[in-house]
This record gives sequence, structure tokens and C-alpha cells, in this order.
Amino acid sequence: DGGITQSPKYLFRKEGQNVTLSCEQNLNHDAMYWYRQDPGQGLRLIYYSQIVNDFQKGDIAEGYSVSREKKESFPLTVTSAQKNPTAFYLCASSPYTGELFFGEGSRLTVL
Amino acid sequence: DQQVKQNSPSLSVQEGRISILNCDYTNSMFDYFLWYKKYPAEGPTFLISISSIKDKNEDGRFTVFLNKSAKHLSLHIVPSQPGDSAVYFCAASLGRSSGGSYIPTFGRGTSLIVHP
Repeated sequence: DGGITQSPKYLFRKEGQNVTLSCEQNLNHDAMYWYRQDPGQGLRLIYYSQIVNDFQKGDIAEGYSVSREKKESFPLTVTSAQKNPTAFYLCASSPYTGELFFGEGSRLTVL
Repeated sequence: DQQVKQNSPSLSVQEGRISILNCDYTNSMFDYFLWYKKYPAEGPTFLISISSIKDKNEDGRFTVFLNKSAKHLSLHIVPSQPGDSAVYFCAASLGRSSGGSYIPTFGRGTSLIVHP
């Protein structure tokens, strides 16, 4: 089945550690996105990529990094520089029709 | 500064009645609007969209209305069902015809509860 797979679904991290969230899609979409959801905050854009080997910062990119070496994959690294990393992270892809297809999300908790 | 605003954090409706979710935007350049539905601990799923060249789009029980002069859109669900209980996000973007790349800006969401 075509779709977007995020892993892990739940992740715990100690303060000061980097952690990488995986996002894979088999929809053949060019564009991929990372959003963060906090209670009462809606969805905020962290990074997006519209083509392989290119990506752009979103509204809240500080403390995060990404790579886009393959069309299917867009991993997000939450670095120790991110001061408040506990959140629900959502990956999405788009075929440039305006509609985003989201993964199931990854919940990161900093201990 | 929020470009897409959903001013009602929650809405409670009786089963069978109409649910009306509202959304306002500030950027008059937005020309493509979407509604997403989200259950807890899941990713949002696309519900319905509307282009700025239209003022209404209908899909089954769901209808979206766009008032460009007021920079306002609304989602009507008729009749409402308990399974519609979820958080609904409004989103707006600039399409390619406007020089944009369809990257949506989301509102903060409205939690809809439909009582049996």
C-alpha cells in the first residue's frame, strides 16, 4: 500500500542527546515536510524539501536538521540545541496539488 | 502573527445537527484552502479543499464556503455524526498560479465533539 511511514512512533530522549526521526514515502511525491504539533499551537512547519538534495527552513527550524538524499526519505534530527523538543512530530508529502499526505506521527519525550 | 486563525478551540454539537467550523485568514494572496481532520495520536487526513476561484465546494456531508472579501471560510458538516468527533484544521496556501508552492499555513484547530 502507498503511504508515509514514520518511525519510531514513540521516542524518549535524555537531555543533551540528538535523536533522528525517520520518514519514508512510496507515493513518488517530490515534496516532503516536517511539522511539529504542540497543544493549542496547531501545526508549525520545521523544514520542507521540494526536490532531492535541497531543503528549506520553515518557521521553527532552530535546533533541527534534515537531509534529502533520496526522494523517498526525509529524516529529521532533533539536536541538543532544541530547547523544548517534547512534541508530536508529523511528516508529510505532497504531489504539488496542495494536498498534503501525513504520516502517523512520532511522539518525542525528553526525560 | 497568525495568518490563519481558528478562533473557536472547541465546538459541541448534537448528532444529526449541523456543525459549522470557522476559519479566518489575513493574507489576501492565499488562493487555495484546505480542511484536515485529525484524531488523537494520528496524522491529519485531508477532508476537502477549495480554490479561490470558487465560493463553495461540496463532498457528501461536507461543504466548504469561501468568502474572499471577508477573508473567511467555513466547513459545514450535515448531518453530524459521533465519528466526526476530531480536531479540524484549516489551512491556506499560495498556489503555483500565484507564484507559490502550495506550502500550507495551518490554523490552531477546532476540537469538534458530536454527542449521540
